[in-house]
Amino acid sequence: TQLLEQSPQFLSIQEGENLTVYCNSSSVFSSLQWYRQEPGEGPVLLVTVVTGGEVKKLKRLTFQFGDARKDSSLHITAAQPGDTGLYLCAGSSGNTGKLIFGQGTTLQVKP
Amino acid sequence: DAGVTQSPTHLIKTRGQHVTLRCSPISGHKSVSWYQQVLGQGPQFIFQYYEKEERGRGNFPDRFSARQFPNYSSELNVNALLLGDSALYLCASSPRPGTGGNSPLHFGNGTRLTVT
Repeated sequence: TQLLEQSPQFLSIQEGENLTVYCNSSSVFSSLQWYRQEPGEGPVLLVTVVTGGEVKKLKRLTFQFGDARKDSSLHITAAQPGDTGLYLCAGSSGNTGKLIFGQGTTLQVKP
Repeated sequence: DAGVTQSPTHLIKTRGQHVTLRCSPISGHKSVSWYQQVLGQGPQFIFQYYEKEERGRGNFPDRFSARQFPNYSSELNVNALLLGDSALYLCASSPRPGTGGNSPLHFGNGTRLTVT
């Protein structure tokens, strides 16, 4: 059974601080996606990483895919209250249509 | 352009009843997937349909079924509802089957189902 474990599960920080969210598995994924979900809404895709060792930047967000394609991280620089939400990583391992989601990291950024 | 639309947005049912949830994909998307998200957890895969054919099925009992129509919209049906079926049911569409980098999922805002 493929599992993705996210850490930490909850994070409460002050505006301007940096943070890193981790997503780990013992399984290899062909690609890994990061989503952000706000209350009452569906997840919104932030980024997809495909190549082992790949690093992608989206403004203050930096995403990294591990060399072995088993883990990923999301780093936010100078967090802002608008970054508050549930961050989900999700792995894909083929053409089955199935995404394996982590349990999510709830981020609260206080002004 | 309209995103993925789901109806109804909220629903309250009693144990043992049946429920039908509906989803309209983004125009041009031929694949629809269904996920269940229990409070405090990540979504869990239920089904994927492409061109009206089931392409994948998650670890859910036979009480859960789905279908896709010629216009690519989809229905998720759940029979004999249990309290544990209370969750946010998410529909996602993509241009093609699979979930890789070339066919990312676009999620709707879900149907919040409460079973009492």
